[in-house]
Amino acid sequence: AQSVAQPEDQVNVAEGNPLTVKCTYSVSGNPYLFWYVQYPNRGLQFLLKYITGDNLVKGSYGFEAEFNKSQTSFHLKKPSALVSDSALYFCAVRVPLSGSARQLTFGSGTQLTVLP
Amino acid sequence: SAVISQKPSRDICQRGTSLTIQCQVDSQVTMMFWYRQQPGQSLTLIATANQGSEATYESGFVIDKFPISRPNLTFSTLTVSNMSPEDSSIYLCSVGPGTNTEAFFGQGTRLTVV
Repeated sequence: AQSVAQPEDQVNVAEGNPLTVKCTYSVSGNPYLFWYVQYPNRGLQFLLKYITGDNLVKGSYGFEAEFNKSQTSFHLKKPSALVSDSALYFCAVRVPLSGSARQLTFGSGTQLTVLP
Repeated sequence: SAVISQKPSRDICQRGTSLTIQCQVDSQVTMMFWYRQQPGQSLTLIATANQGSEATYESGFVIDKFPISRPNLTFSTLTVSNMSPEDSSIYLCSVGPGTNTEAFFGQGTRLTVV
């Protein structure tokens, strides 16, 4: 079975500082990894994905993430945080050869607060 | 990409009643997914809805409580039946991910049962 862990429920960072939101995964097979963001009273918005290729992927709003196979991690990063980045962030995984199943397995979410 | 329109965006319902949530996609898709997000929690898959066949429910979810319709390749409904306060959640519909693409989500329906 596939699983995703986000070890931090809450991350606080000062505006202008770099931010990291952590994600580790456990799958049998090669994972597809995703980051989504949820603003209050909104659905999930896609940020970035790792399918194959370069381990460093760049996404929307200046976010990036690095796939580390040996550490089974896919941490989300941004060099300089903005107050508007404050939101709930979800890491998700899918194993592409899992039969007909195409649903995602989500982590528990990390609330990011960027302080002015 | 896919644009998903979900309605209602929110509702407050009396216990014992039912609410039907609609999800419209701007393109034809084989699979649609319904998720529940309980307050302060992550997303949990309720069921997978395929056009022309019965929905497939995840452990802990049953058809009598969450009947799903999938009349065509662009539309699905989820009904939350005989509601109790424990059903208060955000319900989201989703399509994808595809072979190399991400999943797309509706804006969600925030349900409060009183």
